[in-house]
Amino acid sequence: AQSVTQPDIHITVSEGASLELRCNYSYGATPYLFWYVQSPGQGLQLLLKYFSGDTLVQGIKGFEAEFKRSQSSFNLRKPSVHWSDAAEYFCAVGSGYSTLTFGKGTMLLVSP
Amino acid sequence: EAQVTQNPRYLITVTGKKLTVTCSQNMNHEYMSWYRQDPGLGLRQIYYSMNVEVTDKGDVPEGYKVSRKEKRNFPLILESPSPNQTSLYFCASSLLGGGKERQYFGPGTRLTVL
Repeated sequence: AQSVTQPDIHITVSEGASLELRCNYSYGATPYLFWYVQSPGQGLQLLLKYFSGDTLVQGIKGFEAEFKRSQSSFNLRKPSVHWSDAAEYFCAVGSGYSTLTFGKGTMLLVSP
Repeated sequence: EAQVTQNPRYLITVTGKKLTVTCSQNMNHEYMSWYRQDPGLGLRQIYYSMNVEVTDKGDVPEGYKVSRKEKRNFPLILESPSPNQTSLYFCASSLLGGGKERQYFGPGTRLTVL
């Protein structure tokens, strides 16, 4: 069965500092991997996705993620965090958009 | 404007009273799905549909039904709601096949079952 682990429930980062959110997955074949963001009271927005090809994926809002098959990881990064990035972030794995399994989320807090 | 709409956005009901949450998309997407979101559990897929008349269970289908009689609509039916179905529900749609197309989420329906 596929699964996703986001080890950090909460992360606090200073504004302007770099960010890395961790995601580890378990999947029987080549996975499709996703990162979503959910701002308070809002729906989900897709940040980026990996289907195949280059293992470093660029997304919206300056985010990127790197697929590392040997480590079963798909960590999300941003070089300089803005206060507006405070939100909850979800990693997901699946075979395309169907049968997506989400992680439990990481809440990002941005301090001044 | 491309969008997924859900109705109602907020609903308070009582145990056992049948209800339907509607979901509609205007992008001619084949794939639609329903998720529930609970604190500390993330999103869990309830049902999904690959096309008209093609539906399948997700991770947490118990207590829910769906139908896909038209491509644009994918209603979620709770025949006899119970308090453990109190949750935030999201509908989503996308084209099939992966690639450059994106997935769209609805705004969510917050359901409280008393």
